[in-house]
Amino acid sequence: GAGVSQSPSNKVTEKGKDVELRCDPISGHTALYWYRQSLGQGLEFLIYFQGNSAPDKSGLPSDRFSAERTGGSVSTLTIQRTQQEDSAVYLCASSFPAREQYFGPGTRLTVT
Amino acid sequence: KQEVTQIPAALSVPEGENLVLNCSFTDSAIYNLQWFRQDPGKGLTSLLLIQSSQREQTSGRLNASLDKSSGRSTLYIAASQPGDSATYLCAPELSGSARQLTFGSGTQLTVLP
Repeated sequence: GAGVSQSPSNKVTEKGKDVELRCDPISGHTALYWYRQSLGQGLEFLIYFQGNSAPDKSGLPSDRFSAERTGGSVSTLTIQRTQQEDSAVYLCASSFPAREQYFGPGTRLTVT
Repeated sequence: KQEVTQIPAALSVPEGENLVLNCSFTDSAIYNLQWFRQDPGKGLTSLLLIQSSQREQTSGRLNASLDKSSGRSTLYIAASQPGDSATYLCAPELSGSARQLTFGSGTQLTVLP
């Protein structure tokens, strides 16, 4: 079956613009996670959705970052007023509860 | 806060060698631990998941062990091949409501033909 997909694969934006990153999880996976991977910080957790529960937003670095998950499936990560330090690869993963997390190919965001 | 350390940071071996990658973590209250590989410019590929109640898990030439009480895991790769060249990441998952993975910095493995 299809794996986790993310779009776009690459995004270049100007400082101060808003961006939206999309994640399509594996069908049937109730858990969805966003991580980001940057040169200086390695791989870090951003946000976690599980079913209809309130998301765990403890990893979001600032209030410019938000995410939603519609219908328990597709998720969108939004970054408002982008800054250069937001440049990173944003990775999405999905899983059954407490099982292996499967990662998408990522979106490489470059803020100029 | 969970901290994960992977040793060595880089490793270069000739084809056919057996090798061990090490991972240590500071908080032993984990639910499970996953090993991943990452190829340059790609996402993460899950290799093995070990539940906290397990001591080891095997998949093909890979064997991962877990000593939860001492905060250690090892990934053993038998008969290494050039196709094994990648960065290997260890990621324990903390117990509790936040099912987040905490990643180490990885071991960059190069297997020479």
